[in-house]
Amino acid sequence: GNSVTQMEGPVTLSEEAFLTINCTYTATGYPSLFWYVQYPGEGLQLLLKATKADDKGSNKGFEATYRKETTSFHLEKGSVQVSDSAVYFCAPWGGGGNKLTFGTGTQLKVEL
Amino acid sequence: DADVTQTPRNRITKTGKRIMLECSQTKGHDRMYWYRQDPGLGLQLIYYSFDVKDINKGEISDGYSVSRQAQAKFSLSLESAIPNQTALYFCATSDPLTGGDTQYFGPGTRLTVL
Repeated sequence: GNSVTQMEGPVTLSEEAFLTINCTYTATGYPSLFWYVQYPGEGLQLLLKATKADDKGSNKGFEATYRKETTSFHLEKGSVQVSDSAVYFCAPWGGGGNKLTFGTGTQLKVEL
Repeated sequence: DADVTQTPRNRITKTGKRIMLECSQTKGHDRMYWYRQDPGLGLQLIYYSFDVKDINKGEISDGYSVSRQAQAKFSLSLESAIPNQTALYFCATSDPLTGGDTQYFGPGTRLTVL
């Protein structure tokens, strides 16, 4: 099955700082790759996805590029806001059973 | 109205009690999932259902059972709750007609077993 390694949090940044959250995965074949975000007190919601090598997913200023050669899908944002404070989950999909495999999540705290 | 709803949102119970968590969806999706979330462990899949007659165990199904009463409803039961089942539980849906990979989550049920 698939597995995911995410950088540990919490990550604390000042507003307008650059964000990178690392994610690497192991999988059979070429899975679709997802980032989900969980705001305080809420369920997870899709942030972005990429379905094949070199694809770039983007949404709300966040980006991640599907890197097959390094099996990575790092999340980036050029200028974070306080409202981006949340927990971010990397998740490949597939690898038998058509399921998502979630990483442990990385908490982001953005301060003024 | 939310597309995926869960009831109750919070529940405190005692060891040995039977508990049912309910999930309803108005998205018309065939696939439904139950996950639990524990601090530092991400989300783990308990059960999933690809249609009313297709139910499958996930990674951590021991101690849990499910019922898919209709396309729109998927319930999770703890037959005899124990303290290490204290967690945040999420229901999710996906649509196989659009690839089935994007999942839509409910707001979660916080369960505490004393």
